[in-house]
Amino acid sequence: EPEVTQTPSHQVTQMGQEVILRCVPISNHLYFYWYRQILGQKVEFLVSFYNNEISEKSEIFDDQFSVERPDGSNFTLKIRSTKLEDSAMYFCASSETDYQPQHFGDGTRLSIL
Amino acid sequence: DAKTTQPTSMDCAEGRAANLPCNHSTISGNEYVYWYRQIHSQGPQYIIHGLKNNETNEMASLIITEDRKSSTLILPHATLRDTAVYYCIVRAEYNFNKFYFGSGTKLNVKP
Repeated sequence: EPEVTQTPSHQVTQMGQEVILRCVPISNHLYFYWYRQILGQKVEFLVSFYNNEISEKSEIFDDQFSVERPDGSNFTLKIRSTKLEDSAMYFCASSETDYQPQHFGDGTRLSIL
Repeated sequence: DAKTTQPTSMDCAEGRAANLPCNHSTISGNEYVYWYRQIHSQGPQYIIHGLKNNETNEMASLIITEDRKSSTLILPHATLRDTAVYYCIVRAEYNFNKFYFGSGTKLNVKP
């Protein structure tokens, strides 16, 4: 069964550094999403992306965050200058259409030191 | 999107059916009920969704009441690997953006 893959599985970064999290969505999917989950807390929506542009973003997704689909297969989340509070699991998801279920990857654990 | 209410936790014996309830009394006509689960720190896993008819797939069954104000996810023969947090989410058909994950129900399957 096709799946969403995320790399790396664990990223350790110094505070203030830039980090890029990578995702390969399911190949025929057109809608892409990032969520995050701080340890022990709920899964929170960050951003959705369709047709090469952001369709919705949450209050968490401030100017330090950006997303890109640099080629036909990858979908990336960049955090420009990381803060301690950015430490979390980051999940990528994709869906075939806007009303089909979203399928999630297993996440990248981001640790900011 | 309508909000949902789920019990914080439930226990189930291995091999028995697990019935997870969800209340969504403010659901509107174009909103679907989705169920996801999260095993430990893995990504949320899609289980099933429906609008008003009962649905069944290889993982589970979804029973939606006639007034659509509540639903039940049924895992027919729970195994230890079904221990997870189960999320009931209501979302409009053409709201193609976020899923709102609440606190869910922690299902503990016991031997």
